[in-house]
Amino acid sequence: NAGVIQTPRHKVTGKGQEATLWCEPISGHSAVFWYRQTIVQGLEFLTYFRNQAPIDDSGMPKERFSAQMPNQSHSTLKIQSTQPQDSAVYLCASSLLTGGRSAEQFFGPGTRLTVL
Amino acid sequence: GDQVKQSPSALSLQEGTNSALRCNFSIATTTVQWFLQNPRGSLMNLFYLVPGTKENGRLKSTFNSKESYSTLHIRDAQLEDSGTYFCAAEGGSALGRLHFGAGTQLIVIP
Repeated sequence: NAGVIQTPRHKVTGKGQEATLWCEPISGHSAVFWYRQTIVQGLEFLTYFRNQAPIDDSGMPKERFSAQMPNQSHSTLKIQSTQPQDSAVYLCASSLLTGGRSAEQFFGPGTRLTVL
Repeated sequence: GDQVKQSPSALSLQEGTNSALRCNFSIATTTVQWFLQNPRGSLMNLFYLVPGTKENGRLKSTFNSKESYSTLHIRDAQLEDSGTYFCAAEGGSALGRLHFGAGTQLIVIP
């Protein structure tokens, strides 16, 4: 089991450019979560999908951020017109979460995004 | 907000000694996870807890849902235990998402 895979591991963009981050969950896991980590804010929830459907996007900035899960094997987080304050480590996690029951989350290695 | 308060924020331990980390929750918490973030930044799973206690080697963790706290005990600390420990609570108004504490930075000294 390769665990949660995230690509790229590092990404540098110029201010105003677009960044797309990829996540491949553990095979068989039904839920995918996105978090980001900064020194100032710590670990923050962004959004999650269950069985590819968006369930909770309450942590997503309302502008410029979007997430999709087109199939059960990958999810993407897209940031349009990146700003320096978007610089962070973006973490993806997956779990066997089913409706009404909790499940352990397993994290990928993260993508470190640097916006110059 | 401070839905999960983790203490202490930093800790130095002599190799071979014991210590305890704690998280207090201000949200209704159903499950708790503990992670160790290594120097490369990867979050390694330590414990997944419903109310109760689990033990794994030199680590032991308890989640008390009635009093809204969880503890992580480290026995006979080793150099490889160094890193940042995070607790995370699932619960509040939305199941699924984790609410993280700010972390405890642990350094084990030879």
